[in-house]
Amino acid sequence: GAVVSQHPSRVICKSGTSVKIECRSLDFQATTMFWYRQFPKQSLMLMATSNEGSKATYEQGVEKDKFLINHASLTLSTLTVTSAHPEDSSFYICSARDPAGELGYEQYFGPGTRLTVT
Amino acid sequence: AQSVTQLDSQVPVFEEAPVELRCNYSSSVSVYLFWYVQYPNQGLQLLLKYLSGSTLVESINGFEAEFNKSQTSFHLRKPSVHISDTAEYFCAVSDPRGGADGLTFGKGTHLIIQP
Repeated sequence: GAVVSQHPSRVICKSGTSVKIECRSLDFQATTMFWYRQFPKQSLMLMATSNEGSKATYEQGVEKDKFLINHASLTLSTLTVTSAHPEDSSFYICSARDPAGELGYEQYFGPGTRLTVT
Repeated sequence: AQSVTQLDSQVPVFEEAPVELRCNYSSSVSVYLFWYVQYPNQGLQLLLKYLSGSTLVESINGFEAEFNKSQTSFHLRKPSVHISDTAEYFCAVSDPRGGADGLTFGKGTHLIIQP
C-alpha cells in the first residue's frame, strides 16, 4: 500500500519559536494532503486541506497565519507552527489522497508528529 | 455539516469474545464511511470502508461493519477478538460530493482485550 512519512516524529521547542513538520508521500503523487490535530484521548480534527500549487483551505477556527502550510510538490507538504506556545502542543497528523486509489478517496496517514512546546 | 458519534470511549473485552464498536453519524447527504485503527505509537490505518453497494463490508483480519442508512449507523464487529486487536478505533465519514474534503472523525473507542 501507499506510504506517507512525517518528519520529525517528535520535536520539543521553546515558546516563541517556529517548527516545521514535513509530510511526504513516498510512492505516489498526492495532489491533496490534509493536516489533522489530535489532542490526548480525543479524535482527529481537520485543520486544513493542502492542494499542490495553490493556497491551503483552513477549517473554521484555525489560524492560517499561525499554521502555515506549503504544498510545493506532488509529494511534499509542510506545516509550520509559527511563534509556538504551550497550547500548540499536540499530535499533528497528515494524510495524503492517492488519486489512483478507488474513487480517489483512499487517504493514507502519516505516523504523526508529537510537538511539545515548553 | 457532518458529525460522528462513537458512544463508547473504552470497551474491555475478554480474548476470543465477540465485540461491537458503535458508530452513528449525522449528515444531510449521503456519505462515505470508514473505520480506522491506530495501534500504540503508530499512525492510522484504514480497516474498512463503505462507499456503495453491499452494506456489509469486511476486512482481512476478521472485522466487519454494516451500513444501516435508516439508523445512520456503521457499527464495527468481530466475532472473536485477539490480544493483538488492542488499539484505538476511529469511525469517520466524508462527503462524496466534496471531492477533496477531509474526513470527519468520531472521538475514538479504545478496545482493550483482556486475557
